[in-house]
Parts: sequence; C-alpha cells; structure tokens
Amino acid sequence: EAQVTQNPRYLITVTGKKLTVTCSQNMNHEYMSWYRQDPGLGLRQIYYSMNVEVTDKGDVPEGYKVSRKEKRNFPLILESPSPNQTSLYFCASSFIADLSYEQYFGPGTRLTVT
Amino acid sequence: SQQGEEDPQALSIQEGENATMNCSYKTSINNLQWYRQNSGRGLVHLILIRSNEREKHSGRLRVTLDTSKKSSSLLITASRAADTASYFCATGLRNNNDMRFGAGTRLTVKP
Repeated sequence: EAQVTQNPRYLITVTGKKLTVTCSQNMNHEYMSWYRQDPGLGLRQIYYSMNVEVTDKGDVPEGYKVSRKEKRNFPLILESPSPNQTSLYFCASSFIADLSYEQYFGPGTRLTVT
Repeated sequence: SQQGEEDPQALSIQEGENATMNCSYKTSINNLQWYRQNSGRGLVHLILIRSNEREKHSGRLRVTLDTSKKSSSLLITASRAADTASYFCATGLRNNNDMRFGAGTRLTVKP
C-alpha cells in the first residue's frame, strides 16, 4: 500500500530534550516536506527536500533541522524543543513532474512540549 | 507567510445543498490544489488545476481558477454529511519549489 508513515503519532516531552520525528514514504517520491499546523494558521511549511541531500527552508524553519540521506526517509529533528513548538506536524511527499504534483500526507504527529 | 486565503472561514449548509469555497493568493503560481482534512487527520488531495487551466471537474467537485484575479473556487455539489471537513487550497509557486497553504474553510454539512 502506498503511504507516508510518521512516528511517533503522539509525543509529550520537556523543554530542551532533543527529539526526532521520523517520516518514511514507499512511493519513490523525490519531494518530501514537513509542515506544522496550528489553529487559525493553517499549514506552514518547515523544510522541504527536492531529493537526496537536497534540503531547503520553508516558511518557519527556526528551531528545526532535517536530513535526507535516503530517498524514502526525511526525519524532522528538534535539537532543543520549546513550548512554542507544540503543534500538529505533518510529513508529505510527492513526485515532481512538470512542476505540478499532488502531495501525499502522513497521519500527523501531535507534539506537546512542556 | 501564507499564500492562500480561504473564504469563508466556516460554512454550514444542509445536506443536498451546494457548498462554495474561495481561495485568493498573492503571487504567480504553477498550479493550485485543494485538499480536504478530517479533524486531526492528514490532508487528502482532492484536485489540482494548472495555471493554464480555467476549470476542472472531479465527481461532485468543480474547481475554477482565475489567474487575473488570483483566485480559485471549489464547488461541492449535492453535499453529504460525510463532506464535513476542513478544506484547504495550496499553491505551487512559479519560482519556488515549496507549497503554501491557506488557513482553510471549515465546512459542516447537516443531515
């Protein structure tokens, strides 16, 4: 089954404790992206990746890191989480064809930083 | 910064009625997409319209795009209670490889 998976789905952590949210897709997509969703603000892009070893900042990259060592995986790293990073996070992936692509979203990770 | 802005923020209709949601954006786009999200779940792609297209249909969905006004509309005909969800427009920008989402329209279809 074609899908994007994220782990964990729910996470409660404390300020400053490094964490990683994993994202994996099995569709051989070149493009992968991370978003956060906050009430009233919709989805805001954190980072995206056009392919292996190619990453770029989105709208709200501060406080986050990503890596793309393999095509299928795109982990999101919070080196020192803070309460303002409490949010619902989505990973997404897509093909890139003629600059038109639909994105496939993971189920989301609800993060609470206390 | 957000690129797309949906209007209205919330819409409540009776089953069987049509629902129209609008999206405005600011810069030149390659394409515009509409997504649906059930509460707390991942987004599901509904339809993509390219910048050189004016109208597109998919089942009960009809999307229009007016690049001169930088706006798009999503029409859901003969709505059902199961259509209750949030709907987002997303723009693929012309000179960029990221996507920008609006804040969404919350649609409630009453049975």
